Amino acid sequence: KNQVEQSPQSLIILEGKNCTLQCNYTVSPFSNLRWYKQDTGRGPVSLTIMTFSENTKSNGRYTATLDADTKQSSLHITASQLSDSASYICVVTDLVYNQGGKLIFGQGTELSVKP
Amino acid sequence: NAGVTQTPKFRVLKTGQSMTLLCAQDMNHEYMYWYRQDPGMGLRLIHYSVGEGTTAKGEVPDGYNVSRLKKQNFLLGLESAAPSQTSVYFCASSYGTGQGYTFGSGTRLTVV
Repeated sequence: KNQVEQSPQSLIILEGKNCTLQCNYTVSPFSNLRWYKQDTGRGPVSLTIMTFSENTKSNGRYTATLDADTKQSSLHITASQLSDSASYICVVTDLVYNQGGKLIFGQGTELSVKP
Repeated sequence: NAGVTQTPKFRVLKTGQSMTLLCAQDMNHEYMYWYRQDPGMGLRLIHYSVGEGTTAKGEVPDGYNVSRLKKQNFLLGLESAAPSQTSVYFCASSYGTGQGYTFGSGTRLTVV
């Protein structure tokens, strides 16, 4: 069964520190891997999208990496801010589903940034 | 603001009641989706549409129906609500499967 597993489930860091979130997936073949940020009570917002040929992609203080051989991705947050407190969701698109784009969602990592 | 708008934002239903959730997008996206989000689980696809007049089942379609009569609107219906349908429902839209998805802000539904 295609799965997306994220770790850790939750993380608390101090403002200004860096952190790295992990995502392992078993989806194969896959089209792309996305990282989303979901604030409490809001819908997910896209941070990055990477195809299997891309190793890294940045969006401001967010940098995502992808190793398609080991089926692992990470999201690195630099110089964290209080507004980074949110759930971060790793999503892999199953290539088999050409229409409708079957996105397989991880459970998310709940990040809390403390002052 | 451009994006995906969901109505209502909150709703409480009694078991057996029916309701319709409305999703509207103004980005001219072809694809639209309905997801549910439950604690400890990733978002799961209920139904989706690849264009006006078309719908298809997702991962967890039972107990739900959908319609896409206009390109900009995607309706999710619950004919006879059950407590197991208590969840947060998200609508999303995209140009295509490889493109970014835009999500609405969600509808929190409680069935008692």
